[in-house]
Amino acid sequence: EPEVTQTPSHQVTQMGQEVILRCVPISNHLYFYWYRQILGQKVEFLVSFYNNEISEKSEIFDDQFSVERPDGSNFTLKIRSTKLEDSAMYFCASNQDGQGGNEQYFGPGTRLTVT
Amino acid sequence: ELKVEQNPLFLSMQEGKNYTIYCNYSTTSDRLYWYRQDPGKSLESLFVLLSNGAVKQEGRLMASLDTKARLSTLHITAAVHDLSATYFCAVDLFNTDKLIFGTGTRLQVFP
Repeated sequence: EPEVTQTPSHQVTQMGQEVILRCVPISNHLYFYWYRQILGQKVEFLVSFYNNEISEKSEIFDDQFSVERPDGSNFTLKIRSTKLEDSAMYFCASNQDGQGGNEQYFGPGTRLTVT
Repeated sequence: ELKVEQNPLFLSMQEGKNYTIYCNYSTTSDRLYWYRQDPGKSLESLFVLLSNGAVKQEGRLMASLDTKARLSTLHITAAVHDLSATYFCAVDLFNTDKLIFGTGTRLQVFP
C-alpha cells in the first residue's frame, strides 16, 4: 500500500541553524501539507501546497519557514533559523485532490529537537 | 476561527466496557475525520464522515456525525487493550483543505 515517507526520523540542531525536513508524498497525490505537533499537544496545520505554490498557510508559518517541491517526488519544509520553540514533531501529509472528503494520509513524522 | 474540542481529554477504562468520546466544533462543516495516534507514531485515519447523520463502524469503534449539533461521537464497544491510543477528531471547512484538529483524547484500557 502506498505511503507517505519522511526523512530524517529525528533531527537535532542548534538554535539558529537551518534545517530541511523531507517528505515523499504518495505518488498520485496532488496536494501536500505540513503539520506540527508539540509534545503532548494537538496537531497544528502549517501549510498546504498545490501546483507548485502555497495554497494556504497558518500564522505559525512565518518568514522563517518555506516549502518547496524540488523535483517530482520530494516535498520539503525548511526552517531558516531554528528557535527552541520549533522543537516538535513535524508531519507531512498528502491527498488526491485537496477537496474536503478525501482524508489526508500522514507520514511517520520527523522529530525536531532544537537545543 | 474554527475551534474543535474533545472530551474527555483522558479516559481510563476497563476492558469490556463501553464509552463515548465527543468532538464539538464551532463552525458549520459537514466533513469530519477521526484519527488514531499511538505514542511516538503518526496519525492513522480511522473514519471519514461526510454528511449529516453519517455513521461508520470498524470493529469495536463506531463514529457518527450530527452537523446540526456540530458534534461527532466515537463510540467504543467492549474495549480491549489494543485500543489504547490517542484519538483525534479533525474538521475542514468548505473553502479550505486544511484540517483543524481537536485536542485529542488519550484512551487507556486496562484489564
